[in-house]
Amino acid sequence: DTEVTQTPKHLVMGMTNKKSLKCEQHMGHRAMYWYKQKAKKPPELMFVYSYEKLSINESVPSRFSPECPNSSLLNLHLHALQPEDSALYLCASSHLSNYNEQFFGPGTRLTVL
Amino acid sequence: QQPVQSPQAVILREGEDAVINCSSSKALYSVHWYRQKHGEAPVFLMILLKGGEQKGHDKISASFNEKKQQSSLYLTASQLSYSGTYFCGTAALGGATNKLIFGTGTLLAVQP
Repeated sequence: DTEVTQTPKHLVMGMTNKKSLKCEQHMGHRAMYWYKQKAKKPPELMFVYSYEKLSINESVPSRFSPECPNSSLLNLHLHALQPEDSALYLCASSHLSNYNEQFFGPGTRLTVL
Repeated sequence: QQPVQSPQAVILREGEDAVINCSSSKALYSVHWYRQKHGEAPVFLMILLKGGEQKGHDKISASFNEKKQQSSLYLTASQLSYSGTYFCGTAALGGATNKLIFGTGTLLAVQP
């Protein structure tokens, strides 16, 4: 299995809602990532988990809360988001090695009303 | 700081060649190259490490000039399937090797 899956594909939420994004991989990768991508812009790194521990947080607002319950799963919990948080949220995974090539999931298209 | 890519956009006919450049203001450990088609996830193409190691695609090549902190991606005999936005992703020397900062992107369109 060489795939990273993400659910849901699309999500519309109000500013007072709480929702979660889910990411799953079964490639034995021990690093998992959340990126945010705005239209016509490059992906921006948000969080990195290495061996199920948060290793990088790129000063992301606390309304985004990541969680890595096990080596295959990564969640992103959303609460009190703003309209400017609307974007494509990409999950990726990689081995922890010199190469670290990252495999991306298809993303969740988030719209905050 | 975000790496700068050039050109911003390029249009090719099938069979033509293209070069995409990525320039960083920081000393680099590695450069990754990804292609993203509209509405899809980025797909890994190549990785180049400090010291000359490479790993990736057999029909696309790349170079990494460590001293100039630059990388170039070479697309030869382009095919329609090469169309998409190309991003370099750089890992800074001395930083986490899996912390990638993506470049500004290059939109490539290959026409019949």
